[in-house]
Formats: sequence, C-alpha cells, structure tokens
Amino acid sequence: SSELTQDPAVSVALGQTVRITCQGDSLRSYYASWYQQKPGQAPVLVIYGKNNRPSGIPDRFSGSSSGNTASLTITGAQAEDEADYYCNSRDSSGNHHVVFGGGTKLTVL
Amino acid sequence: EVQLVESGGGLIQPGGSLRLSCAASGFTVSSNYMSWVRQAPGKGLEWVSVIYSGGSTYYADSVKGRFTISRDNSKNTLYLQMNSLRAEDTAVYYCARDRISRDHEWFDPWGQGTLVTVSS
Repeated sequence: SSELTQDPAVSVALGQTVRITCQGDSLRSYYASWYQQKPGQAPVLVIYGKNNRPSGIPDRFSGSSSGNTASLTITGAQAEDEADYYCNSRDSSGNHHVVFGGGTKLTVL
Repeated sequence: EVQLVESGGGLIQPGGSLRLSCAASGFTVSSNYMSWVRQAPGKGLEWVSVIYSGGSTYYADSVKGRFTISRDNSKNTLYLQMNSLRAEDTAVYYCARDRISRDHEWFDPWGQGTLVTVSS
C-alpha cells in the first residue's frame, strides 16, 4: 500500500508564509487533501483537490502539487493557524484504501 | 446543518467487542460514501474502513476480519462493529463523510470522535 511522508514539525513567524509538504507515490495519480487539527478537536478540511477551499476557510490557505509532492501554503500565518496538519490521498494500489501522512505540527512564533 | 455525532466508545478488555454509532443529520448516509478514521493517543490519523453508497465495504489491513462497517438507512446512522479488540486498537474513532472524485478523495465533515480504550 501507499505511504505519505510529512515533516514532523515546522515553524513560522507571525505574518510570514509557510509551506507544509507531503510526499508519496500516490500523489503522482491523486491530489492531496489537507486537514487542520487543533488539540482536543476533530480534524477540519482546509484544502481538497487541486486547490479548493471549503466554505469558511480563509484564503490564506492554498494547495499545490508537483510530481510526488503536495504542498499546503499558508500566506500570512496567524496565531490561530498553530495546529497539526495532515494530508491524505487515495491509495494508488487500486485497493480502495485511503492513506494519511504522519502529520506536521505547525508552530507560529 | 451537516453534522455527525459518534457514540459507543468506552473501556473494553482485550478480546472484547464494541459497536460504534455515527448519527448523521443534514444529509443522507446511504447516498454517500462514509468512512471511519482513528487516531491513537498522541499519534496521527489512520483510515479504518469505508462503505460506498452501493454497499461495497473496504478495510485497512490492520482491522480486516475483525471490524465490520455497516449502516441503517432508516436511522441515517453508520456503525462500526469491532471484535477481537487489541490494545493497539485504542484510539479516538471518527466517522466522516467520504467524498471521491476522479482524482482526489477527501473527508468532510467529521464527527467529534469517540474514545475506545482497550485495556485489562
């Protein structure tokens, strides 16, 4: 089955831009989706598909993809963006499974 | 409002069984793909199982043969029957609406989660 790899931790200064990446073979076939999870809360979808934001998600969140790497970019990070971020994609093995990345802890300094 | 509410978690001994429920409102469970995703304490997200609108079901290798996903259309509720539970099944279990297109798959919304603790 496929795997998705994320950096365990990333930090960004308040108001600056940060990119969180997700790597895996399945991303050559499928776009990643991204979730934000704050402590004690359920994950919340922030980006899906090529670069789609659900209603209510600020436009400072954007997504992109190249080869086997998907990226979530936060332009002008805010204190409330400090959270864990997870990527996921469909498993490219054709087994109808889903894979998640291990998550990235974002710290806003 | 589209909402999912899980219930049924608790403390269970190894080898025991538990059934989780996920009540949906604002949309029809049977017309959607629905998944269970779990998160062990301090760990990342792990996909567990999916039921398609047509009724096909799929499972992660870690739970195949022990867990069964199902739904009750009359109650608009999703279930996860968990048998032969192990310590490593300890996690918060989330249900989520599973959306699939030609080239991507995403989960939205998610329930608040229910904690399952497998321990003697």
